[in-house]
Amino acid sequence: SQQGEEDPQALSIQEGENATMNCSYKTSINNLQWYRQNSGRGLVHLILIRSNEREKHSGRLRVTLDTSKKSSSLLITASRAADTASYFCASTAEGTYKYIFGTGTRLKVLA
Amino acid sequence: DTAVSQTPKYLVTQMGNDKSIKCEQNLGHDTMYWYKQDSKKFLKIMFSYNNKELIINETVPNRFSPKSPDKAHLNLHINSLELGDSAVYFCASSQVGGNEQFFGPGTRLTVL
Repeated sequence: SQQGEEDPQALSIQEGENATMNCSYKTSINNLQWYRQNSGRGLVHLILIRSNEREKHSGRLRVTLDTSKKSSSLLITASRAADTASYFCASTAEGTYKYIFGTGTRLKVLA
Repeated sequence: DTAVSQTPKYLVTQMGNDKSIKCEQNLGHDTMYWYKQDSKKFLKIMFSYNNKELIINETVPNRFSPKSPDKAHLNLHINSLELGDSAVYFCASSQVGGNEQFFGPGTRLTVL
């Protein structure tokens, strides 16, 4: 399967704690993106990291990319109850417009 | 002023029927996509159009036919619906293929 893998599948933390989720992909990529999906809604783009970048920050989000290991991680610092959602990575294979999504991490932040 | 809209939001139909889902984006994007999200939340690309031209056509049964009348619209027609077609279908768009995508709210299709 071309599906990317994410772990953990589910994560439950207390408000204020940090949440880390990991993504692995299979092909050489142009970029890797992270999306959030609230229950019953469409996906919302969070951050994009290009294949020549190693780390990127946006607000409380920090993304790292290790192309030698074909992996990425998303760190959400000081989590809030509103961060409760599913998080997906999506890699764009080199030379294509094709997005390959990971299996998703369900994050629950307890108030 | 919704960026990417889909209709209908819910679709319940009998096996064997033909149905369509419509998608419109008002972002001026060149590239549009259809995705299928199954009950395990796996999201898989089905089709992509760039300026009304088909550029991605994954291994999807030919009962599924996308149509792009103009670059702001990408509709999905499904013939002879089967139980396994039950899923949430998402439309998305991006300015350039491979960049940030904007997703519609999804259409939950239930085939009985």
